[in-house]
Amino acid sequence: GAGVSQSPRYKVAKRGQDVALRCDPISGHVSLFWYQQALGQGPEFLTYFQNEAQLDKSGLPSDRFFAERPEGSVSTLKIQRTQQEDSAVYLCASSPALKVDYGYTFGSGTRLTVV
Amino acid sequence: AQKITQTQPGMFVQEKEAVTLDCTYDTSDPSYGLFWYKQPSSGEMIFLIYQGSYDQQNATEGRYSLNFQKARKSANLVISASQLGDSAMYFCAMREGVGGSRLTFGEGTQLTVNP
Repeated sequence: GAGVSQSPRYKVAKRGQDVALRCDPISGHVSLFWYQQALGQGPEFLTYFQNEAQLDKSGLPSDRFFAERPEGSVSTLKIQRTQQEDSAVYLCASSPALKVDYGYTFGSGTRLTVV
Repeated sequence: AQKITQTQPGMFVQEKEAVTLDCTYDTSDPSYGLFWYKQPSSGEMIFLIYQGSYDQQNATEGRYSLNFQKARKSANLVISASQLGDSAMYFCAMREGVGGSRLTFGEGTQLTVNP
């Protein structure tokens, strides 16, 4: 597609519910990133894929967070047993190569609200 | 310690005037990259400009220029001839190390352009 597509755009989850957030990167983009952006804050790194390999998951805040990219294209961020502190916008970004001097292309994000 | 500091939570500028958004950074790595992103109310992060730590000249992209002062560890964004559509949140970000993947973002500056 023309840009990075994320779905759903908005998600309301009850505390304790599992959620899955989807990211469709730009076709052919090797690198894929997930960021978490709390209200009024800058985005914070969660995890990074190069093709299907998850090379860095050091930013995932707990073992309730899990990300995958099984075929090196679409990625899913899963959050188990959601908590109120998980409420944030989850941004996905992709780039053609590891070296990101020209900047990533970000999607519009999924706004997760845990009630 | 904050790696990226944006000291201006909000800035106002008159249409057609220039505005400078401040950013200071902290790193001990000799190789790094500095980025500016724009985030309108729609939520997506739009890449504006990049400056590498070894670049001799300040980066420019259309109405955007980056005032890079390496000794002061500052990377201020200058927007010339402001337009109403420039009203948005602006984030400074840094990538550390050769081949580093993650971006570290500041807390952002909300720019409002007045007619």
